[in-house]
Formats: sequence, structure tokens, C-alpha cells
Amino acid sequence: AQKITQTQPGMFVQEKEAVTLDCTYDTSDPSYGLFWYKQPSSGEMIFLIYQGSYDQQNATEGRYSLNFQKARKSANLVISASQLGDSAMYFCAMREYFPNNAGNMLTFGGGTRLMVKP
Amino acid sequence: NAGVTQTPKFRVLKTGQSMTLLCAQDMNHEYMYWYRQDPGMGLRLIHYSVGEGTTAKGEVPDGYNVSRLKKQNFLLGLESAAPSQTSVYFCASSYKGGRPQETQYFGPGTRLLVL
Repeated sequence: AQKITQTQPGMFVQEKEAVTLDCTYDTSDPSYGLFWYKQPSSGEMIFLIYQGSYDQQNATEGRYSLNFQKARKSANLVISASQLGDSAMYFCAMREYFPNNAGNMLTFGGGTRLMVKP
Repeated sequence: NAGVTQTPKFRVLKTGQSMTLLCAQDMNHEYMYWYRQDPGMGLRLIHYSVGEGTTAKGEVPDGYNVSRLKKQNFLLGLESAAPSQTSVYFCASSYKGGRPQETQYFGPGTRLLVL
């Protein structure tokens, strides 16, 4: 069974500063994918960034980057130059593949609430 | 394209009542999913489908049933609602055999309150 742990229930960051949101995972599968989603107060799930287990480089998407440390099983999200609009819940998730090509699912962590201070 | 849509957006039920949540996607995705999100928590998989006419149980299937009679629709049923089913329900869809970095596409959610 897989497990995703986000140890920071809530965090504050000053506008324009960088912030790191922690995510650790546990799996015995050699092939997996890690996702980060943003959930603003409006409730929708917004895909931010992806990291594959075999990717050699850390993923980046604009102001988002993923600090992937495979040996430590961590996939921390780094948001640079925080903006007020970054205030939201952030979820780390891992993709698990079912056997016999029977599909896949996402397992989510408990989330981190980020609050950006002006 | 509308993407993934969910009906209704919000519903209040009394304990013991039944209801059906409808999810529709117009992206021709083979895979569809139902998740629930309880306050302060991440999403948990209820049921999923890998194609028309097929369904399977996820992590928290008890108290729910699903059907996928058409490829574009995935229905989630509550036969006898309980207060423990108060939650926000998200539908999602994805391609079969898509690129590894392909995300699941989520609907806007249905907020359900069971009194």
C-alpha cells in the first residue's frame, strides 16, 4: 500500500518570498508518478507539476519546482516569489498502477494550507 | 470543451434518502473515478471505471454504488445516505495508456450534506 505524508498542516509565507511544502511518500513500486495540486477556496483541483520516478532532473513549471530526492522518498514543492493568489490548499499525490493494465489511481496526502501575507 | 462536469453542485439529504451524482466528460477518456474529500483531508478513491460497462472498488467503497453505462458518464449512487457521507465528491477522468505525466482531469465537485 502506498502512503503520502504532508507534515505541515499550515504555513505562512511573506509575499515575494519562496516557500517549500514538504511531501514524503512510501512505495515499493519502482515505477510511480508524483503530482502536486492546488485547491483554492473555490474548491477546484488544479494540477501544478509532475515528477516521474525515473526522471533524472527535477521538474519545473514556471514558479513551481519539485525538489525530488528519490533515496529519501521526498518530493517537496517549491514556490518561488509567492503571490497573494498562491494562498490555497496544496496536495501531494502519487499515482499507483493496478495490475493487468486495470487502470490507475491517485493517493493523496492530507494537504498543506498555504497563506501568503502581504 | 466542457471537460468534466458534475451534477448537482450542492445537495442536502436526510438520513436514509437516496440520490445519484452524475459525472460527464467530453474528452473521450476511458478511465473515470469518484473521490470523496472530507474536511481538512485529501481525496480518497471510492470507485473507478476503466471502460464502459466496467467498475471496480477503490479505497472507501462502502455505502456507494456506481454505474458506467455510457463512456462519457459515470454515476455515483447513495442508496441510504448517512451523516458520515457528508463530504465533497469529485469526479475525475483520464486517458487509458496516456503519458505518465498526464494528470487526471477533475470536475468542480459536489458538496453533499446529510442531516
